[in-house]
Amino acid sequence: NAGVMQNPRHLVRRRGQEARLRCSPMKGHSHVYWYRQLPEEGLKFMVYLQKENIIDESGMPKERFSAEFPKEGPSILRIQQVVRGDSAAYFCASSPRMDPGNEQFFGPGTRLTVL
Amino acid sequence: DQQVKQNSPSLSVQEGRISILNCDYTNSMFDYFLWYKKYPAEGPTFLISISSIKDKNEDGRFTVFLNKSAKHLSLHIVPSQPGDSAVYFCAASANFGNEKLTFGTGTRLTIIP
Repeated sequence: NAGVMQNPRHLVRRRGQEARLRCSPMKGHSHVYWYRQLPEEGLKFMVYLQKENIIDESGMPKERFSAEFPKEGPSILRIQQVVRGDSAAYFCASSPRMDPGNEQFFGPGTRLTVL
Repeated sequence: DQQVKQNSPSLSVQEGRISILNCDYTNSMFDYFLWYKKYPAEGPTFLISISSIKDKNEDGRFTVFLNKSAKHLSLHIVPSQPGDSAVYFCAASANFGNEKLTFGTGTRLTIIP
């Protein structure tokens, strides 16, 4: 059973370009979370999705950022018109179901560098 | 507003001794707590968790203690091994883990051979 997959592992973009980050959850997991880690900080929640639904986007910046988790395929975090402050490690996590005591399992992250 | 705090940015422990990492939280809605270990350039790896209905959970060398009245939890690693050197994050969630995680800022643990 493969773990959470993220690609690309490293992404370099110039200011104003778009960044697309992909996350494939663990098999059988229908809940996906995105977190961002800025340098020298802890991980900060961005968005929580289930298949075709955004459950909680309270951590997402209001502009330029969007996320989706379609019925088929990976979850996508999209950042439009990137700025230098978007440079960070973006982690995806998945969990299986809505039972008490669910751990979230993390992918290896995508390191975004904005030049 | 830092709802989960790890006040020690770093900790050094001799190999074979006990490592104790601490975490404090402020949000009374948190009822599920987790510890993750993270190596550079990798994602966090789940270590151990505890529900608010318990005050202790043990898994091999790792034990987590929860003091709800003090809003404090700790991770004990015994005996400490060189491979334990990493950054440890405390995280908390409401709804018994079925919501977003709120992370502390991490403690860098170094095990001295």
